[in-house]
Amino acid sequence: DTGVSQDPRHKITKRGQNVTFRCDPISEHNRLYWYRQTLGQGPEFLTYFQNEAQLEKSRLLSDRFSAERPKGSFSTLEIQRTEQGDSAMYLCASSFLTSGSSEQFFGPGTRLTVL
Amino acid sequence: AQSVAQPEDQVNVAEGNPLTVKCTYSVSGNPYLFWYVQYPNRGLQFLLKYITGDNLVKGSYGFEAEFNKSQTSFHLKKPSALVSDSALYFCAVRGIDSGNTGKLIFGQGTTLQVKP
Repeated sequence: DTGVSQDPRHKITKRGQNVTFRCDPISEHNRLYWYRQTLGQGPEFLTYFQNEAQLEKSRLLSDRFSAERPKGSFSTLEIQRTEQGDSAMYLCASSFLTSGSSEQFFGPGTRLTVL
Repeated sequence: AQSVAQPEDQVNVAEGNPLTVKCTYSVSGNPYLFWYVQYPNRGLQFLLKYITGDNLVKGSYGFEAEFNKSQTSFHLKKPSALVSDSALYFCAVRGIDSGNTGKLIFGQGTTLQVKP
């Protein structure tokens, strides 16, 4: 399968714990996005990488959140000191850099439940 | 600010009948518009996009969408619905930003229920 993959698919954690999610984009895609989706809502943009550079972060991304894409390939999203409000589906997407009109390809998501 | 509205939480249609899922947008400049579908416990799948050109865009699985600039709408359509089309549908617009990030702004989604 050459699509976007995410790991883990599900994560249950206790409030205050740290969690880390991984995203492997389609190999030739140099753009990578993280979104968060809560129940009954559309995905909301969190952050964007072009190759290894993090070029934009949403105001939704508090200082407890950090994302990396160290070699311009896979990316990780870490949440420190998780809160119940962090419970959501975290989606990763990738696309190929053109003028911005390219569609994004989404992974299956990581569902986070904070108890 | 850019935004997308999907006025219907749910659309019900009988199998074989035409379906329409509505989307309106607000964006400065020329919009880049997208439709995605989400099946339970799965990521979003791209259906179609409008960038420029013909107002009627054809996409995957027999879906099409009509761009209407004067009404700022981009409704998703299919001539004959299938039970397997039942899913959650999202309309999205590319956000306008100085960095040309291509980030998407999504509507809240519309659940399509196709009954046999």
